Amino acid sequence: QQQVKQSPQSLIVQKGGISIINCAYENTAFDYFPWYQQFPGKGPALLIAIRPDVSEKKEGRFTISFNKSAKQFSLHIMDSQPGDSATYFCAASIQGGSEKLVFGKGTKLTVNP
Amino acid sequence: EADIYQTPRYLVIGTGKKITLECSQTMGHDKMYWYQQDPGMELHLIHYSYGVNSTEKGDLSSESTVSRIRTEHFPLTLESARPSHTSQYLCASSPKNLNEQFFGPGTRLTVL
Repeated sequence: QQQVKQSPQSLIVQKGGISIINCAYENTAFDYFPWYQQFPGKGPALLIAIRPDVSEKKEGRFTISFNKSAKQFSLHIMDSQPGDSATYFCAASIQGGSEKLVFGKGTKLTVNP
Repeated sequence: EADIYQTPRYLVIGTGKKITLECSQTMGHDKMYWYQQDPGMELHLIHYSYGVNSTEKGDLSSESTVSRIRTEHFPLTLESARPSHTSQYLCASSPKNLNEQFFGPGTRLTVL
């Protein structure tokens, strides 16, 4: 049973457009929702993360929107650039202690010039 | 930039060989993890450790084994490599009371 469902599997966006990746979770105890960015041949790197006490968090061109009642969160990339082309993973966990991150299956983003 | 290192970065070996993938971190993190990932695909947790002498199997069954004798070191061993073990192996670590994981660059393993 997959606890974090991510969509779409792949996404193609034109330069300057908005990229939107969605995730849905099942465990209402989750209280930490990070997004990781992975370039080919590299390990994933933390991009941005949110706690459920806020509905939105913005860092530069990257924004997480969080809907607690719907148990959904999404990553928005504004003014998408070819350098944003990567695989993006959402994840969720219960913060602290022995809980592990539960990852989505990933979204491959391609931004065309 | 996270200080977590993996060696070798690339490894091509024959079937039946014993291999050890090295992972070291200099951040003093208690928790360490091994993931298996086909390029660009989902991450599969195969082993994790919450401290010295603590190791647990992950969500994906794996024929590999791990050890945690020192906080900074979390090697993964395959006693007899097979072509089905061909994949990318990612090591990660996180502090004791946080779940943010810092990933190494990965080892790309090819078993012929």
